[in-house]
Amino acid sequence: SQQGEEDPQALSIQEGENATMNCSYKTSINNLQWYRQNSGRGLVHLILIRSNEREKHSGRLRVTLDTSKKSSSLLITASRAADTASYFCATGQGSNYQLIWGAGTKLIIKP
Amino acid sequence: ETGVTQSPTHLIKTRGQQVTLRCSSQSGHNTVSWYQQALGQGPQFIFQYYREEENGRGNFPPRFSGLQFPNYSSELNVNALELDDSALYLCASSLDLQGDEKLFFGSGTQLSVL
Repeated sequence: SQQGEEDPQALSIQEGENATMNCSYKTSINNLQWYRQNSGRGLVHLILIRSNEREKHSGRLRVTLDTSKKSSSLLITASRAADTASYFCATGQGSNYQLIWGAGTKLIIKP
Repeated sequence: ETGVTQSPTHLIKTRGQQVTLRCSSQSGHNTVSWYQQALGQGPQFIFQYYREEENGRGNFPPRFSGLQFPNYSSELNVNALELDDSALYLCASSLDLQGDEKLFFGSGTQLSVL
């Protein structure tokens, strides 16, 4: 079973625009991570936000976490063609070190 | 470049056969996790090994088994392959068992069961 649900399932925008993806989850978490996957291959870690944090930045990435709504958002500013990929959120819970993943958002950046 | 390598990259098997997938973790990473990813879905946790012992397991039957070796390599074995086992299999390593560690993924093995 999957914990997270990303929204939208797919997003197509023009290069230079901002892209926002959302993730909702069901149970309490210790942390939430975002990963990127190109062409169905390996995933690359983007950013981790802990349950006591509300916002985090890394370069053109901004992640927010609202534990009361059990949701997170990933904002990519000034998108580039190289940002075309699928983006997944994954949650870590309690003493269980396993990550539980959503189904992902497919992002397409049009030149 | 994550420093995690998987082999083979592609594999075709027939139903009922057995398969072994291999992963080489980053040096010094004591934890390896294996995931199954069906097309268009997120990864599903299979199991995790820490210092050569299984540390946790997802909702997968016993015909999915694994090993982790002292040289930071590991294996995923699947017996009695079924058509639904067709998927991308990913291994991921991390330094330790801390729940807030990021994972370093290999590029995966695409398994097709005919």
